[in-house]
Amino acid sequence: AQKVTQAQTEISVVEKEDVTLDCVYETRDTTYYLFWYKQPPSGELVFLIRRNSFDEQNEISGRYSWNFQKSTSSFNFTITASQVVDSAVYFCALSVLTAESFVFGPGTRLSVLP
Amino acid sequence: NAGVTQTPKFQVLKTGQSMTLQCAQDMNHEYMSWYRQDPGMGLRLIHYSVGAGITDQGEVPNGYNVSRSTTEDFPLRLLSAAPSQTSVYFCASSYSGGQGTEQYFGPGTRLTVT
Repeated sequence: AQKVTQAQTEISVVEKEDVTLDCVYETRDTTYYLFWYKQPPSGELVFLIRRNSFDEQNEISGRYSWNFQKSTSSFNFTITASQVVDSAVYFCALSVLTAESFVFGPGTRLSVLP
Repeated sequence: NAGVTQTPKFQVLKTGQSMTLQCAQDMNHEYMSWYRQDPGMGLRLIHYSVGAGITDQGEVPNGYNVSRSTTEDFPLRLLSAAPSQTSVYFCASSYSGGQGTEQYFGPGTRLTVT
């Protein structure tokens, strides 16, 4: 069975601080996919990134970066120079080839204070 | 291109009533799914479908029915509403379930059962 853990329930930072959201996953499959989604206060779910298990390169997109480490089964998300608009709930998710479903973590609520 | 649409946006039911949450997508996606979101529990999969005529249970299927007669539509039926079904319901679609394609989410339906 697959599992995603996001140990940080809530994080508060002051604007311009850097913040890292942790995601740890469990699966016995060798082919799998990891995702991050953002849920702003308005409630919609916004796709941020997808990473497959064979690509361990870190990715940077503007102020966002993702660190994928198979050795520790982690797929962490860092926001550099956070802004108030980054305040949201962030979900990490996992899907595997052998199961036709996605598993989501419980989410981390990020509050960026001005 | 409307993406994933859900109706209604809000609904209040009395215990024992039945209702159908509608979900439609216009992206020709084969995979569709229903989640419920409860505080602190992330998104939990209720039912999913890998194509017209094919449905399967997710993590929390009890009390819900689905059918998939067309590629576009995937309604969720509450057979006899209970207060424990008070939640926010999201419908999602993607090209596939386990092959690494991201899911696109509808705006959600907030359901209250009294």
